[in-house]
Amino acid sequence: GENVEQHPSTLSVQEGDSAVIKCTYSDSASNYFPWYKQELGKRPQLIIDIRSNVGEKKDQRIAVTLNKTAKHFSLHITETQPEDSAVYFCAASMRRTGRRALTFGSGTRLQVQP
Amino acid sequence: NAGVTQTPKFQVLKTGQSMTLQCAQDMNHNSMYWYRQDPGMGLRLIYYSASEGTTDKGEVPNGYNVSRLNKREFSLRLESAAPSQTSVYFCASSEVGGANTGELFFGEGSRLTVL
Repeated sequence: GENVEQHPSTLSVQEGDSAVIKCTYSDSASNYFPWYKQELGKRPQLIIDIRSNVGEKKDQRIAVTLNKTAKHFSLHITETQPEDSAVYFCAASMRRTGRRALTFGSGTRLQVQP
Repeated sequence: NAGVTQTPKFQVLKTGQSMTLQCAQDMNHNSMYWYRQDPGMGLRLIYYSASEGTTDKGEVPNGYNVSRLNKREFSLRLESAAPSQTSVYFCASSEVGGANTGELFFGEGSRLTVL
């Protein structure tokens, strides 16, 4: 099955700096890579996703890059703000018995210091 | 439009007791999922249902059973709870296929403690 590794587990940055979170996946057949943000005590919510036919996608201050050859993808947050503080999860699609579901990484706790 | 609703939000059980977590979605999604979240381990898939009438095991299915009651509802049952099942459980739903992204919509979570 799919295995997704995520680094770092914690990340502390100063407000205005950039943050980068990296993930690797094992199943070369995976083709959908979303990122979820979970604020303290809340449910995870999708912030950006990318499909395997695209190398990069950007949405305002966040961007995701994908390297299919190396089987890794990254989340980039620029000009970080205190409200970016949360746990971020990467995920990759997996196929079991012909049906797909997501495998998540272990999460990165991002702390943005004012 | 409530999205994904799961009950109960909190539950304390004794070892060996049974319980069912209920989940319902009103977005007409075909696929539904149960994940558990433990510190440092992210979200791990327990079971999922790609469509009404089908269920499949995820990464950590042992000790759990599921029922896809209809298109809206997907329940998770613990037949004999164990302390290792202490966790936060999230139900989610998605629509996939065609131009749909497969975005997961999560419920608020159910915090289960097994003593």
